[in-house]
Amino acid sequence: NAGVMQNPRHLVRRRGQEARLRCSPMKGHSHVYWYRQLPEEGLKFMVYLQKENIIDESGMPKERFSAEFPKEGPSILRIQQVVRGDSAAYFCASSPYRASSSYEQYFGPGTRLTVT
Amino acid sequence: TQLLEQSPQFLSIQEGENLTVYCNSSSVFSSLQWYRQEPGEGPVLLVTVVTGGEVKKLKRLTFQFGDARKDSSLHITAAQTGDTGLYLCAGRKVGNQGGKLIFGQGTELSVKP
Repeated sequence: NAGVMQNPRHLVRRRGQEARLRCSPMKGHSHVYWYRQLPEEGLKFMVYLQKENIIDESGMPKERFSAEFPKEGPSILRIQQVVRGDSAAYFCASSPYRASSSYEQYFGPGTRLTVT
Repeated sequence: TQLLEQSPQFLSIQEGENLTVYCNSSSVFSSLQWYRQEPGEGPVLLVTVVTGGEVKKLKRLTFQFGDARKDSSLHITAAQTGDTGLYLCAGRKVGNQGGKLIFGQGTELSVKP
């Protein structure tokens, strides 16, 4: 039973380039979440998606960041015109349920983005 | 301001000792999870607690959810070097219709032989 898959594991981009991070949820999971972990900071929520729907994007920066979870294929977190401050570990998590009291999320290994 | 405060932030102990990590908030949570994260990896779910006063045991680890569902603790008995890692509490606030988790800043545990 494969866990949450993320690729690439490491990504280096120059300032101004685009970064695309991919996440395949666990089998049977239809809900995906993206979190960012900045150096010396905790994990911060970015966005919550179901297939073809953005449910909660309250943690997404207003500009340059977008996310999608198409009917077919992985979820994509896209960062346009990257800046040095975007350097961080980006984690994807998935769950089988919508909000329930016994709600659980399972995390992937993360993508480490470095902007030079 | 941190919605979930973890303490201590750093803990260095000898193998065989006991320890407790705390996760506190002024907000009520509908559920709370504990994760362990190793360098270069994603958080691994240890336990979920949902009922006020609930106690769950996972081998040498004991997790407790406060009666008012505002706080939680993780107690490790007879720590081993393999317990070394970053321990994170994360909760879903009552009234949050979405799925987002709010994380504490973590407790970095080092168990020395």
